[in-house]
Amino acid sequence: GAGVSQSPSNKVTEKGKDVELRCDPISGHTALYWYRQSLGQGLEFLIYFQGNSAPDKSGLPSDRFSAERTGGSVSTLTIQRTQQEDSAVYLCASSFLGRNEQFFGPGTRLTVL
Amino acid sequence: SQQGEEDPQALSIQEGENATMNCSYKTSINNLQWYRQNSGRGLVHLILIRSNEREKHSGRLRVTLDTSKKSSSLLITASRAADTASYFCATDATGNNRKLIWGLGTSLAVNP
Repeated sequence: GAGVSQSPSNKVTEKGKDVELRCDPISGHTALYWYRQSLGQGLEFLIYFQGNSAPDKSGLPSDRFSAERTGGSVSTLTIQRTQQEDSAVYLCASSFLGRNEQFFGPGTRLTVL
Repeated sequence: SQQGEEDPQALSIQEGENATMNCSYKTSINNLQWYRQNSGRGLVHLILIRSNEREKHSGRLRVTLDTSKKSSSLLITASRAADTASYFCATDATGNNRKLIWGLGTSLAVNP
């Protein structure tokens, strides 16, 4: 079946511009996660959606970052006024609560010039 | 915050040898998972071990869990060049609303 998809796969933007990253989770998965990974580093948790509960935003690094999940499915991560330090690979994952195994998308590589 | 800490940070072995990676964590957990990340297939789930389990096998993978020491090990037997990847442990801490906490990973290089 279809896995987690993310778009775009690559995004190059200029400092100060806003970007939107999209994640389509596996159908039926109730949990959705956004992570950030810098080159050669581990995963940095950003935000976690679980069903209709309020999202866990504790990992968002600043108020320039926001995310929403519409209809319990597709999610969009928005970064406003991008900075060079925002350059990283942004990974989305989904899981079915109770199984907890996370399925990852291929990521969006963001480069801020 | 990162709960899991893998060691070693980097490991280089010859094809056919066994590779052992360790993960330590700080709080009580529901389960611990190991993931692999390489450039070809992205980040992929390998194995999950529950807090009431001590050992689990999947093909050439063997995972152990010692909750008294708050540590886990991942053993890859008869390694292959295709096992070259970064390996991450992730813990599902109790009372953490099922949010996984990730370690920084072990980079494994298997030389042909």
